[in-house]
Amino acid sequence: GAVVSQHPSRVICKSGTSVKIECRSLDFQATTMFWYRQFPKQSLMLMATSNEGSKATYEQGVEKDKFLINHASLTLSTLTVTSAHPEDSSFYICSARAGYSNQPQHFGDGTRLSIL
Amino acid sequence: EDQVTQSPEALRLQEGESSSLNCSYTVSGLRGLFWYRQDPGKGPEFLFTLYSAGEEKEKERLKATLTKKESFLHITAPKPEDSATYLCAVQAKEAGGTSYGKLTFGQGTILTVHP
Repeated sequence: GAVVSQHPSRVICKSGTSVKIECRSLDFQATTMFWYRQFPKQSLMLMATSNEGSKATYEQGVEKDKFLINHASLTLSTLTVTSAHPEDSSFYICSARAGYSNQPQHFGDGTRLSIL
Repeated sequence: EDQVTQSPEALRLQEGESSSLNCSYTVSGLRGLFWYRQDPGKGPEFLFTLYSAGEEKEKERLKATLTKKESFLHITAPKPEDSATYLCAVQAKEAGGTSYGKLTFGQGTILTVHP
């Protein structure tokens, strides 16, 4: 149980392109979803938190117009990196949580984004 | 500000050589402490949640314990397939406002078990 699917697993695209990443909870309803960024050999950095049907809450220093988050249903959240540049290249990971806030987050397998 | 420090940064063990990983934390009020395992190129896999000092959880060769300042992940007779990065994260109690129970992660311990 508690499976989270993230797609695509890898994206390579040209600078200036917008890229959409999907995160789906397959066997539970996710009231809250989280988006993280992870640099090589570093831990996870939280970018934003989203609740179904409401606007995402972004962490300090994360540009909301750059990283658009939509959480339209209890099983799907999307992250769109707009007008991506090489410095946006990173490993992006989503997580989903059901129910109460002290329940564990379950993570997708990440998306490796490479901007040329 | 919540802080999580994991030690050691890297640990090399021989198969069967038991050891412990440490997670020290500072948090205004602990709602939960979480252990995850992360394999290269993958997302973290949930292992345990601990909610109060004195609590212990076990799963196969892993056992997690919690005090008011730190948590230990004990690995008994490890096998090469236990090689991974182990992440510890804390969740603070929400004192007004809404943080939606976000996690603060440590830097992780890279465990390598040699056959």
